[in-house]
Amino acid sequence: AQTVTQSQPEMSVQEAETVTLSCTYDTSESDYYLFWYKQPPSRQMILVIRQEAYKQQNATENRFSVNFQKAAKSFSLKISDSQLGDAAMYFCAYLISNFGNEKLTFGTGTRLTIIP
Amino acid sequence: NAGVMQNPRHLVRRRGQEARLRCSPMKGHSHVYWYRQLPEEGLKFMVYLQKENIIDESGMPKERFSAEFPKEGPSILRIQQVVRGDSAAYFCASSPNMGETQYFGPGTRLLVL
Repeated sequence: AQTVTQSQPEMSVQEAETVTLSCTYDTSESDYYLFWYKQPPSRQMILVIRQEAYKQQNATENRFSVNFQKAAKSFSLKISDSQLGDAAMYFCAYLISNFGNEKLTFGTGTRLTIIP
Repeated sequence: NAGVMQNPRHLVRRRGQEARLRCSPMKGHSHVYWYRQLPEEGLKFMVYLQKENIIDESGMPKERFSAEFPKEGPSILRIQQVVRGDSAAYFCASSPNMGETQYFGPGTRLLVL
């Protein structure tokens, strides 16, 4: 069974600084997708970034970028120039997508606090 | 383009009552997923549906829970004879196709008294 591990229950960063959230996963598949979602106090789940495992290039979305290490099964999220609006729970998730299996497997989350 | 819509946003039920949660996917999306989030935990997959078909219900409890996605209208997650342990946030997501990004609705917070 696939598992997703987020080893940092809580992180904090000074406003305008950079922070990295870690995520590791366990799978025997070679083709899959990885995601970071954020959940602010409103509890809405918002997509932050997506990475296809077959792509070697790390995904980037404005201030958000990932460090995808396929061999190490590691998928960390880097937030640059942190802003107060980045405060949220961040969930790493894995999707395999085959034979009707479309379930996202989530980690337990990292609560990010932004210090003004 | 409206996002995924869920209603009600909050639902209070007494033990033994039925809860019905509705989800309207994004326009053009025919794949619907339901997830449950217990307090202070991550989301757990429950069921995956396409129009009129349940594709994967491996995460659904065997009793009291059912889901449907009819040809017309929203997807429904139905919980019969609710118990306190059913109190959670229930999220619906949709995608246009398999392997595509799942976009989430705002969730329904169910409280069982």
